[in-house]
Amino acid sequence: AQSVTQLDSHVSVSEGTPVLLRCNYSSSYSPSLFWYVQHPNKGLQLLLKYTSAATLVKGINGFEAEFKKSETSFHLTKPSAHMSDAAEYFCVVSEGNTGFQKLVFGTGTRLLVSP
Amino acid sequence: DTAVSQTPKYLVTQMGNDKSIKCEQNLGHDTMYWYKQDSKKFLKIMFSYNNKELIINETVPNRFSPKSPDKAHLNLHINSLELGDSAVYFCASSQGRAASSYEQYFGPGTRLTVT
Repeated sequence: AQSVTQLDSHVSVSEGTPVLLRCNYSSSYSPSLFWYVQHPNKGLQLLLKYTSAATLVKGINGFEAEFKKSETSFHLTKPSAHMSDAAEYFCVVSEGNTGFQKLVFGTGTRLLVSP
Repeated sequence: DTAVSQTPKYLVTQMGNDKSIKCEQNLGHDTMYWYKQDSKKFLKIMFSYNNKELIINETVPNRFSPKSPDKAHLNLHINSLELGDSAVYFCASSQGRAASSYEQYFGPGTRLTVT
């Protein structure tokens, strides 16, 4: 079974400083990986996804993630945090064959941004 | 226009009651999902329907019964509610059933509180 581990439950940064949210995956084959964001009392929104194309994936709102097979990692980064980035971030892997795939979510990382 | 909508947004009820949560999407998607997010923000898939056919049914008590009257709707009925059913329930939809290929669009969630 595929799984993801988010190494930090909370990350605190100051506005304007870089963001790093860490994610490691476990997969028996080349996985499809995603980052989703959940703002308070809102549904989830896809930030970016990796599906075996370019290893550096750019997403919305200035976020990007790099797939590193040797490290089994898919960390999310942003050069400069904005107050509006404060939210819960989920690293996600897809599991199953094409006909019955499902998303498996990590436990989430809460990003706190201070002025 | 809201892409994926859920009603109600909040639901407070007593143990033993039966309740339903409704979900509608106006994106023309053919696959819909129900997820449960517990108090620790952990998100897990419950069911998935493709063209009104059940394709994913996780280990969920049979008190939970999804119903898909058409491709645009996926309702969740819960019998004999228990305290442990308290959670936020998210509906989602996607263009196709391959989770690695098709972005899932999430509704705003229904916060269910069982007292």
